Amino acid sequence: DAKTTQPNSMESNEEEPVHLPCNHSTISGTDYIHWYRQLPSQGPEYVIHGLTSNVNNRMASLAIAEDRKSSTLILHRATLRDAAVYYCILLNTGGFKTIFGAGTRLFVKA
Amino acid sequence: SQTIHQWPATLVQPVGSPLSLECTVEGTSNPNLYWYRQAAGRGLQLLFYSVGIGQISSEVPQNLSASRPQDRQFILSSKKLLLSDSGFYLCAWSETASGSWNEQFFGPGTRLTVL
Repeated sequence: DAKTTQPNSMESNEEEPVHLPCNHSTISGTDYIHWYRQLPSQGPEYVIHGLTSNVNNRMASLAIAEDRKSSTLILHRATLRDAAVYYCILLNTGGFKTIFGAGTRLFVKA
Repeated sequence: SQTIHQWPATLVQPVGSPLSLECTVEGTSNPNLYWYRQAAGRGLQLLFYSVGIGQISSEVPQNLSASRPQDRQFILSSKKLLLSDSGFYLCAWSETASGSWNEQFFGPGTRLTVL
């Protein structure tokens, strides 16, 4: 099963951009790259997903490498409310294998 | 709009007691439904998923079972709880698809402590 690798933690200053990396070197052609974030004692919240092309929505941008073996979640201006654990996961069109790793804990400093 | 409910929010149960956690979804039809468990400080582990009424697939062997008696109701059960069943249980739904690739919407979770 394709897995993802993320740094354990990252730190950012408020109002600055944040780039959260994710490696998925064994990704298959039918895997979608999803990002979720989780605040303490809450369920994960969907952030963004993509297949091959870069994606933008109101929450963030997703930059996908040309070979799809890595991706980066971009928060354009971090706020204190963005402090959370961010999970990069691969979800498949052909099955239901869902592997959430430990994610990246993002700390945002005022 | 769609909403997902889970109850109870917290639960403390003795070892060997039964368990029933309920999840319901409103505002959508024939969703894919999921049960996850999260141990303290860890990522989420997919336990079960369902693509329709009465259709349950298990991802890991364990002490738990799931049922889907109605289209938008998903129940997680155990006959006898173990200490290792403690954790944060999350229900999620996604639009109908052959795989899990659609955006998943998570409920608020149930924190279970087995003593």
